[in-house]
Amino acid sequence: DVKVTQSSRYLVKRTGEKVFLECVQDMDHENMFWYRQDPGLGLRLIYFSYDVKMKEKGDIPEGYSVSREKKERFSLILESASTNQTSMYLCASSSPPGQGAFNTGELFFGEGSRLTVL
Amino acid sequence: QQQVKQSPQSLIVQKGGIPIINCAYENTAFDYFPWYQQFPGKGPALLIAIRPDVSEKKEGRFTISFNKSAKQFSLHIMDSQPGDSATYFCAASDSWGKLQFGAGTQVVVTP
Repeated sequence: DVKVTQSSRYLVKRTGEKVFLECVQDMDHENMFWYRQDPGLGLRLIYFSYDVKMKEKGDIPEGYSVSREKKERFSLILESASTNQTSMYLCASSSPPGQGAFNTGELFFGEGSRLTVL
Repeated sequence: QQQVKQSPQSLIVQKGGIPIINCAYENTAFDYFPWYQQFPGKGPALLIAIRPDVSEKKEGRFTISFNKSAKQFSLHIMDSQPGDSATYFCAASDSWGKLQFGAGTQVVVTP
């Protein structure tokens, strides 16, 4: 069974703290993504990575950084957490679209990490 | 600014009804339109997807209708069941595969 595992389901942090969100996938996927989910705004892409040590900014990268030292692991870092970063964070992985006859780049999501910043 | 506009934000239907969710886009480079389903406490999962060379696709009780000229697409859930209660996201991507999601629609199917 394919799996994307996010290390923490619930976190409570204080303003200014450094926060690490970890994600591991067991599907040998090249692509990994971090999304933020907020009511009424849907899923917004923070960062993505298409290879080890490679990263690209998504639509809302401000206040975040990422690290991908191994193919299966993608970390999201909040250098100095702020209250407006309280949200649900979703990690996802995929193979690049077009690889294989019917590969459309389906995203496989983890169950999410709900972060509250006080 | 959201590149994929989704409506309604929420809807409630009785069992057996047909909830319809609509999405619109502007970017003509989009060539892949998936729908994701998310149950409470879970991550979204791919439900059904369509490419713009077809106008309709059915998988079980779920149907996507696609209108390329209007740049709109919609999801219909036929004979809806309480187990279909979830949040549904439409999305669109270009050939690079980076998805743009709609805001989501919370669907509640009452018994």
